[in-house]
Amino acid sequence: GENVEQHPSTLSVQEGDSAVIKCTYSDSASNYFPWYKQELGKRPQLIIDIRSNVGEKKDQRIAVTLNKTAKHFSLHITETQPEDSAVYFCASVEGGSARQLTFGSGTQLTVLP
Amino acid sequence: SAVISQKPSRDICQRGTSLTIQCQVDSQVTMMFWYRQQPGQSLTLIATANQGSEATYESGFVIDKFPISRPNLTFSTLTVSNMSPEDSSIYLCSGETSGDGAAGELFFGEGSRLTVL
Repeated sequence: GENVEQHPSTLSVQEGDSAVIKCTYSDSASNYFPWYKQELGKRPQLIIDIRSNVGEKKDQRIAVTLNKTAKHFSLHITETQPEDSAVYFCASVEGGSARQLTFGSGTQLTVLP
Repeated sequence: SAVISQKPSRDICQRGTSLTIQCQVDSQVTMMFWYRQQPGQSLTLIATANQGSEATYESGFVIDKFPISRPNLTFSTLTVSNMSPEDSSIYLCSGETSGDGAAGELFFGEGSRLTVL
């Protein structure tokens, strides 16, 4: 089955700086890569996603890049704010008819004011 | 987007008992899944809840321990049977809406935090 590795496990940045979280996946047929943000005690919420036919996607301060050859994808957050502090999970869906998400181990992002 | 409600939101249970978690979606979803999240950990898929048929379980999870029902497109239940302290966790219901056959956005319920004494 699919294996997703995520790093770093913790990341601290100064407010206004950028943050980058990286993930690798094992199944070359994987075709969907969402990112979820989970605040303490809350449910995971989708913040951005990318499909395998696209190399990059942006939504305001958030962007995701995908390198299919290397089988890795990254989350980029620019101009970080304290409210960006949360745990971020990457995930992937295997190729074919599979619909189940395999999640990475998570990154605790702390934005220092 | 779909809104998913779960209950109970939390419970404290005695060893050896069973608890059923209910999940209600405010609109029809194509797929429903149940995840487990240990404190400070990632999400692990327990099973896919199939409407009108037996759930599809992931490796390490079995029907006798985690029976699942999905009688229609908006409702599912997960039972944690014969609980032990190792079952203490957050259980999350999720639903996916996709109209084109490809994987779509996954929405999560608020989670049910179970503590087994």
